[in-house]
Amino acid sequence: DAGVTQSPTHLIKTRGQQVTLRCSPKSGHDTVSWYQQALGQGPQFIFQYYEEEERQRGNFPDRFSGHQFPNYSSELNVNALLLGDSALYLCASSLGRREQFFGPGTRLTVL
Amino acid sequence: QKEVEQDPGPLSVPEGAIVSLNCTYSNSAFQYFMWYRQYSRKGPELLMYTYSSGNKEDGRFTAQVDKSSKYISLFIRDSQPSDSATYLCAMSAGVTGGGNKLTFGTGTQLKVEL
Repeated sequence: DAGVTQSPTHLIKTRGQQVTLRCSPKSGHDTVSWYQQALGQGPQFIFQYYEEEERQRGNFPDRFSGHQFPNYSSELNVNALLLGDSALYLCASSLGRREQFFGPGTRLTVL
Repeated sequence: QKEVEQDPGPLSVPEGAIVSLNCTYSNSAFQYFMWYRQYSRKGPELLMYTYSSGNKEDGRFTAQVDKSSKYISLFIRDSQPSDSATYLCAMSAGVTGGGNKLTFGTGTQLKVEL
């Protein structure tokens, strides 16, 4: 049974560029949440998708947007990248509002 | 003040020791409490998931929740070098409390030495 998968593993971008990160949930899960984890910090909630709609959002600017597809996979898009966007981006999946399981993350470096 | 406070450590213990990890929180709406283990440069792995107050045991791990004190703990018995990782506490308010987004502590770095 495949767990949560994320792509790419690593990404290097320059300031002002745009990036798209991808997530496939654990088999049988229908809800995807995205988190940002800065070095030495705990993950911070970005938003959650259920039934292809954003259900809940954290304190992140509109530069952060997302999408969920009919097969429950999800994308995180970040526009106008800033140096401070450098972090590990984590995707977590769940069945409804039950416990969340995390993927390995995408490490984004903004130069 | 952060909603969830966690001592970042590092915490160093000898192999076989009992480890105690703790978090305090301020939001009384939190009802679901989790502990995740995160190895360096990896995603968090769910260890324990509990609802409301009480104890839950799973192998060498015991999670305790005291909602009256807004305090949660994770105990690791017979600690092993493979337990060396960062331990993150996480909490959510649940459906009636505003959704199940997770609020994390900063994580405690644990090293178990031979």
